[in-house]
Amino acid sequence: EPEVTQTPSHQVTQMGQEVILRCVPISNHLYFYWYRQILGQKVEFLVSFYNNEISEKSEIFDDQFSVERPDGSNFTLKIRSTKLEDSAMYFCASRPGQGLYNEQFFGPGTRLTVL
Amino acid sequence: AQTVTQSQPEMSVQEAETVTLSCTYDTSESDYYLFWYKQPPSRQMILVIRQEAYKQQNATENRFSVNFQKAAKSFSLKISDSQLGDAAMYFCAYRSGTSYDKVIFGPGTSLSVIP
Repeated sequence: EPEVTQTPSHQVTQMGQEVILRCVPISNHLYFYWYRQILGQKVEFLVSFYNNEISEKSEIFDDQFSVERPDGSNFTLKIRSTKLEDSAMYFCASRPGQGLYNEQFFGPGTRLTVL
Repeated sequence: AQTVTQSQPEMSVQEAETVTLSCTYDTSESDYYLFWYKQPPSRQMILVIRQEAYKQQNATENRFSVNFQKAAKSFSLKISDSQLGDAAMYFCAYRSGTSYDKVIFGPGTSLSVIP
């Protein structure tokens, strides 16, 4: 069964450094998402992406964040200058296309630790 | 803004017994979808069950069923004949019927299954 994959599973970085989290959505899916889950807190929506542009973003998704689909298969989340509070689990998700029954399929997550 | 609340941070159930996880939500919309996601220790979130708000009939998926009370804005999950593999974090979630994008998650309930 196709799955969303994410790399790396765990990323450790120094505060102020740039990180890129990578996701490979399910082939033929058209909508892509990033969510994050700070330890002990709820999963929060960051951004949705469709047709090579952001379709919706949350207040969390400020200028330090960007997303890209560089090659038609990968979907990346970049944090330009990481802060301690960016430490969290980051989940990528994708869904097929139009239709209210098209569910989001989640990846296993990348744990980001900012020191 | 929509919110999802799960008042039980932790629950436990004996193997083969039945357990009910609670969820309440707040919305002013009439068209929406509710979900229960399971997140096992491997961290990949899996959709367990979905309920369309316009349907009065409660959704069921094998051992999983919901009690959807639209007026009370309540959406509980019942797991029958609990199995060891049911041990996981369970998230109640909401998605607007007019938006294909973000899913709003509750804080989660950690379910333990006692052999």
